[in-house]
Amino acid sequence: QKEVEQNSGPLSVPEGAIASLNCTYSDRGSQSFFWYRQYSGKSPELIMSIYSNGDKEDGRFTAQLNKASQYVSLLIRDSQPSDSATYLCAVRIQAGTALIFGKGTTLSVSS
Amino acid sequence: ETGVTQTPRHLVMGMTNKKSLKCEQHLGHNAMYWYKQSAKKPLELMFVYSLEERVENNSVPSRFSPECPNSSHLFLHLHTLQPEDSALYLCASSFSWTGNTGELFFGEGSRLTVL
Repeated sequence: QKEVEQNSGPLSVPEGAIASLNCTYSDRGSQSFFWYRQYSGKSPELIMSIYSNGDKEDGRFTAQLNKASQYVSLLIRDSQPSDSATYLCAVRIQAGTALIFGKGTTLSVSS
Repeated sequence: ETGVTQTPRHLVMGMTNKKSLKCEQHLGHNAMYWYKQSAKKPLELMFVYSLEERVENNSVPSRFSPECPNSSHLFLHLHTLQPEDSALYLCASSFSWTGNTGELFFGEGSRLTVL
């Protein structure tokens, strides 16, 4: 059973702080990793993808991948109330397979 | 229209009804997906179509019947559903099922309530 694990939260941070979201996955051979943001009542929106070990930065978002530890994280700098949402981690083992999603972590940013 | 569009956005049906969900993607992608999202559960893959051929059927009950007439359109036909089928049904597309990236782009979803 291929699994993606996330802490369901809620993770509460004050405005302006760094939010750190974590995800672990079971299949060591996984190749592609994604973070989606889902606002309440809306559909998931892709915010980051990462394919190799290390950090990838896009604006206030940084994805970090450590394949040896089977761990992927998302850092949100200068958190804003508009960042309050559920963040879904998704993993793709290889081409020709579907994304496996975690249950998501709910983030609450207070002003 | 841009991205992935789904209709209807909300649907209420009885257990004996027959209805269909429609999805259209305007991204030029070759793969389309149906996912089910229920409370407290991860997104569940239902079906995958690549170049109009079904490549994955994730043990979905036969009361759900997909149809992909071309690479831009995907349907989910519903009949004799159960109340536990009430959920958000998400359509998604990706550039290629066999490509190296696999990024999915979702539609807004169809909220289904079965009475």
